[in-house]
Amino acid sequence: GIQVEQSPPDLILQEGANSTLRCNFSDSVNNLQWFHQNPWGQLINLFYIPSGTKQNGRLSATTVATERYSLLYISSSQTTDSGVYFCAARGDRGSTLGRLYFGRGTQLTVWP
Amino acid sequence: DTGVSQDPRHKITKRGQNVTFRCDPISEHNRLYWYRQTLGQGPEFLTYFQNEAQLEKSRLLSDRFSAERPKGSFSTLEIQRTEQGDSAMYLCASSLGSFSGNTIYFGEGSWLTVV
Repeated sequence: GIQVEQSPPDLILQEGANSTLRCNFSDSVNNLQWFHQNPWGQLINLFYIPSGTKQNGRLSATTVATERYSLLYISSSQTTDSGVYFCAARGDRGSTLGRLYFGRGTQLTVWP
Repeated sequence: DTGVSQDPRHKITKRGQNVTFRCDPISEHNRLYWYRQTLGQGPEFLTYFQNEAQLEKSRLLSDRFSAERPKGSFSTLEIQRTEQGDSAMYLCASSLGSFSGNTIYFGEGSWLTVV
């Protein structure tokens, strides 16, 4: 399978600060997604980004597939950004094709 | 907007009882996935279907677990003779396409507590 490692495991910020979350993956992928898990447990899609850069409001993401990492940027953080951020990847061959492999997440806490 | 729908959202059951969860995927999505998540961990893959065919099962899916997707639409996940270690959130997801990189969408999850 694919190993997905996220860092940092925990991040505490004050409102208005910027942050960068990192995701390393161990194999070539055809799907890389970032999710935000809200306090009720739902996984909210943030980005589908197997390569390149995307932006959505205060959030942006970059995946460098050749170097097997992805970054999620959060600018001007708000208390509503708090929660767990997951990176998940799906491989592009063989037994890694079917499922998404998840990292352990980054717990983000934003204080007012 | 009809996203992935799961039912029930919460279930408390006594050890040894059977429970069944239902998942309705996004319309026209031919892939359906089941994951399990325990506190402090990322979701762990259980199984997935393409249409009605179950293509892969994790080693986590013991003999007490069975999943079906009889008509290629909704799916059920049954746990027989529940144990306290089965307490977790069970997540269903769906996507469009086969071996391509389509976005996978998750439901709100079904919380199971075994007492």
